[in-house]
Amino acid sequence: QQQVKQSPQSLIVQKGGIPIINCAYENTAFDYFPWYQQFPGKGPALLIAIRPDVSEKKEGRFTISFNKSAKQFSLHIMDSQPGDSATYFCAARISGNTPLVFGKGTRLSVIA
Amino acid sequence: DGGITQSPKYLFRKEGQNVTLSCEQNLNHDAMYWYRQDPGQGLRLIYYSQIVNDFQKGDIAEGYSVSREKKESFPLTVTSAQKNPTAFYLCAIQGPGNTIYFGEGSWLTVV
Repeated sequence: QQQVKQSPQSLIVQKGGIPIINCAYENTAFDYFPWYQQFPGKGPALLIAIRPDVSEKKEGRFTISFNKSAKQFSLHIMDSQPGDSATYFCAARISGNTPLVFGKGTRLSVIA
Repeated sequence: DGGITQSPKYLFRKEGQNVTLSCEQNLNHDAMYWYRQDPGQGLRLIYYSQIVNDFQKGDIAEGYSVSREKKESFPLTVTSAQKNPTAFYLCAIQGPGNTIYFGEGSWLTVV
């Protein structure tokens, strides 16, 4: 079964808009939730990450919102730019040397 | 990430042939991972290794094999038993804390 469900599959926004990508997880043992950004033909790059003891984390134009009771977390991109057009993956893991479990990705297009 | 090197970038495999993808790191980290990426499928775990001479199967290990004889190297062999090997393969290492870094990936195509 899919442990991390990501939506939407694709998203188109105007420049300056605020795209929101959502993820839901099932395993309550997960305690680390990163977001990755991937450009075509490249490996994913870590964007921002959060732990369940905080409800929000901001880094530049990127914000993670976390709802532990609902087992959901989301990525918001403020003032989106065409250069933000990429595929975004949410992930989760249990701390330690355990693998990340990924959502299926969201392809974001920011149009000028 | 500059500390992870995957090679080759592009590889072509003939039917019935085994091929090996290289993953090398110079960051002295213990845990290394192999993921496969197909369009619309996200990243799926093939194998991972937490320490030298030890590795565990991931969700889609069938048709693949790995070795971890050295800390800095974690090669992935795609065997002839893997019937649909065409994909983008990503190697990753675990850095400080929970941070996992990916290499630039290798494209494998069956011809």
